[in-house]
Amino acid sequence: ETGVTQSPTHLIKTRGQQVTLRCSSQSGHNTVSWYQQALGQGPQFIFQYYREEENGRGNFPPRFSGLQFPNYSSELNVNALELDDSALYLCASSSDWQETQYFGPGTRLLVL
Amino acid sequence: AQTVTQSQPEMSVQEAETVTLSCTYDTSESNYYLFWYKQPPSRQMILVIRQEAYKQQNATENRFSVNFQKAAKSFSLKISDSQLGDTAMYFCAFMYNDMRFGAGTRLTVKP
Repeated sequence: ETGVTQSPTHLIKTRGQQVTLRCSSQSGHNTVSWYQQALGQGPQFIFQYYREEENGRGNFPPRFSGLQFPNYSSELNVNALELDDSALYLCASSSDWQETQYFGPGTRLLVL
Repeated sequence: AQTVTQSQPEMSVQEAETVTLSCTYDTSESNYYLFWYKQPPSRQMILVIRQEAYKQQNATENRFSVNFQKAAKSFSLKISDSQLGDTAMYFCAFMYNDMRFGAGTRLTVKP
């Protein structure tokens, strides 16, 4: 059974650019949640996708957007990058929207 | 809004000893889930243990157990027979509609 995978592992962008992060969910899981983890802090919920529909959103601006595909993989898109967007972005999948979440290794984004 | 508080930023324990990490949360809901996750320096978040709020029995997973006090909104994690591989950040998390994490406790197991 393949776990949650994320790509890329590291990324460097400049302020104002756009970025797309990718997540493949664990086999059999239909729900993907995205989190932002700033250095030294706990993860902050960005949004969740359940069966290709957004199923909840945290306190993040609209320039953070996402997609979930029919195979339940997911993308996180961030437009107009700001320096404060520098963080570890974690993806987690679950077998249903209120079930235990299993995390991927994360993507480290640095915005210069 | 649900909040999760971990009041111990750092803790240390000798190998083979027992340590307890504290977590409190605030909610008006009655049915929810609580979790402890471990994040080693490799950064991958690993599930340690899960507790359903409707269950009175405390969850256990091998050397890991919780003390769930629903009325007090407290959810502590006990690690018995600590091992060097337990060194990590530990996050307490509350899930109702979405998941909220505490700020974490950095645990160091000393040889």
